[in-house]
Amino acid sequence: GENVEQHPSTLSVQEGDSAVIKCTYSDSASNYFPWYKQELGKRPQLIIDIRSNVGEKKDQRIAVTLNKTAKHFSLHITETQPEDSAVYFCADGGGYNKLIFGAGTRLAVHP
Amino acid sequence: DAGVIQSPRHEVTEMGQEVTLRCKPISGHDYLFWYRQTMMRGLELLIYFNNNVPIDDSGMPEDRFSAKMPNASFSTLKIQPSEPRDSAVYFCASRTQGRYNEQFFGPGTRLTVL
Repeated sequence: GENVEQHPSTLSVQEGDSAVIKCTYSDSASNYFPWYKQELGKRPQLIIDIRSNVGEKKDQRIAVTLNKTAKHFSLHITETQPEDSAVYFCADGGGYNKLIFGAGTRLAVHP
Repeated sequence: DAGVIQSPRHEVTEMGQEVTLRCKPISGHDYLFWYRQTMMRGLELLIYFNNNVPIDDSGMPEDRFSAKMPNASFSTLKIQPSEPRDSAVYFCASRTQGRYNEQFFGPGTRLTVL
């Protein structure tokens, strides 16, 4: 069945450093991969997404890359700031109109 | 628009009691999703509706859980009888037609079953 593996489960960086979170999916037909950010006690919110017709997408300090051959995609955050501290979830929107979420990565950015 | 609305925000109940969680999706959204979030299992999709019709309930853990969507502006998730292992945050989300469209989450209901 559908499955999304996400690594690492926790990530600690110094302010200003870069952070990378990686996800692997299993359904070769998947073609939509959103990323959600969830701050402590809040709801998940979409921060960026990518479709399979592109290999990379950027939005200011965040970017997502997709490798369909290897079936993995990654979230890159540059120049991290304390407000980037949150749990980040990747998701596979492979089919049937639903999202399959990864287990989440808890990012801590230390001043 | 006020966004997705969920009630109650917090619910504390005793084992064996019936619990009903409520959701009002964003007006005009055709899809509604119910998720459960726990530390152990992460964010799990329980069930989703399209135009008020349940499409996939494969994530519903067992017969104690049921969900309805009587109209386009209201959905309920019911647990009867509740058990301590049902303690979690339950999120409702909605989106428009088009599988690439963003899912908007509600604030969640934190359920504690004693």
